[in-house]
Amino acid sequence: QKEVEQNSGPLSVPEGAIASLNCTYSDRVSQSFFWYRQYSGKSPELIMSIYSNGDKEDGRFTAQLNKASQYVSLLIRDSQPSDSATYLCAVTPRGGGFKTIFGAGTRLFVKA
Amino acid sequence: DAGVIQSPRHEVTEMGQEVTLRCKPISGHDYLFWYRQTMMRGLELLIYFNNNVPIDDSGMPEDRFSAKMPNASFSTLKIQPSEPRDSAVYFCASSPPANTGELFFGEGSRLTVL
Repeated sequence: QKEVEQNSGPLSVPEGAIASLNCTYSDRVSQSFFWYRQYSGKSPELIMSIYSNGDKEDGRFTAQLNKASQYVSLLIRDSQPSDSATYLCAVTPRGGGFKTIFGAGTRLFVKA
Repeated sequence: DAGVIQSPRHEVTEMGQEVTLRCKPISGHDYLFWYRQTMMRGLELLIYFNNNVPIDDSGMPEDRFSAKMPNASFSTLKIQPSEPRDSAVYFCASSPPANTGELFFGEGSRLTVL
């Protein structure tokens, strides 16, 4: 079992819709959770971090964390074509220092 | 503020040659990471430093790979001798002392070994 799993996609949504990206992780004592956006040919860019159960909202983005289910998600409201990218889920284990583990990423296409 | 700076952006070399990748972290960040990204394996952590000291190098694939951080503003990742399977994008990232785990990536060095 991979440590951080994501559906590779592609996930295609129409402009203005809500895009829902999901991620599961295997280490039950993981501590910190992140979503990075990576445009083709570019470097990953941090867009959301979440550390406790529940929802965290930042503009059109909402991160949701459920530690009991070992599940973290990212919702993108009012999706725009500029949101088309690969979204990487990342997890830092408790006591693991900074050994952040990345999922393989979900490709998102937002159709105009 | 300038972000993480990596060089070279692109490197094409022949098998057996030595490759040196360079990184300048964000000023004030005391964690520095080297990641490798390929289509098959995604983003893999190779090694990370804290205050110029290597903390975990368990991701370094083999002895052909070495990394140094002689001071707070400079790090190198060296591959000697290089092999075609080393072809990948190598990212350097830094993180601030706040210990949030958030990573700030450089633009990457795309390495092609022929």
